[in-house]
Amino acid sequence: EAQVTQNPRYLITVTGKKLTVTCSQNMNHEYMSWYRQDPGLGLRQIYYSMNVEVTDKGDVPEGYKVSRKEKRNFPLILESPSPNQTSLYFCASSFGGDNQPQHFGDGTRLSIL
Amino acid sequence: GQNIDQPTEMTATEGAIVQINCTYQTSGFNGLFWYQQHAGEAPTFLSYNVLDGLEEKGRFSSFLSRSKGYSYLLLKELQMKDSASYLCAVAGNMLTFGGGTRLMVKP
Repeated sequence: EAQVTQNPRYLITVTGKKLTVTCSQNMNHEYMSWYRQDPGLGLRQIYYSMNVEVTDKGDVPEGYKVSRKEKRNFPLILESPSPNQTSLYFCASSFGGDNQPQHFGDGTRLSIL
Repeated sequence: GQNIDQPTEMTATEGAIVQINCTYQTSGFNGLFWYQQHAGEAPTFLSYNVLDGLEEKGRFSSFLSRSKGYSYLLLKELQMKDSASYLCAVAGNMLTFGGGTRLMVKP
């Protein structure tokens, strides 16, 4: 089954404790991206990747890191999480880029205390 | 800069037709998407318009006017399961989403 898998689905943690949210897709997509979704603000892009070893900042990259060492994986790293990073996070992938339909993961709800 | 506007909430009756509007101002234009998102779930792709005009797909249709920076999503024969948020997104220099329109379908 074609899918984008995120882990964990839910996480409650404390300020400053490094965490990684994993994202994996099995569709051989070149393009992958991360979004956060907050009430009233919609989906905002954090980082995106056009292919292996190619990453770029989106709208709200501050406080986040990403890597793309393999085509299928695109982890999101919060080196020193803060309460303003409490949000619902979605990973997405597509074949050609952001002008193609995006396939979204089920989301990760992060709470930073 | 990128700016996408859509109504925050709409209410409609089962069996009726509803039109959700989206206006945009973006740097570059490579197409406009509509996604459906049920509460607590991931967005799912509904439609894509890159040329002016109407695209029909079953009960759902989407219209685009590039010169006016305007799109709408038309939902016919509304069903209770259509209660969801509908997200307008524009692929310009980057993919930008509107805040979403929460549609409530009442019996």
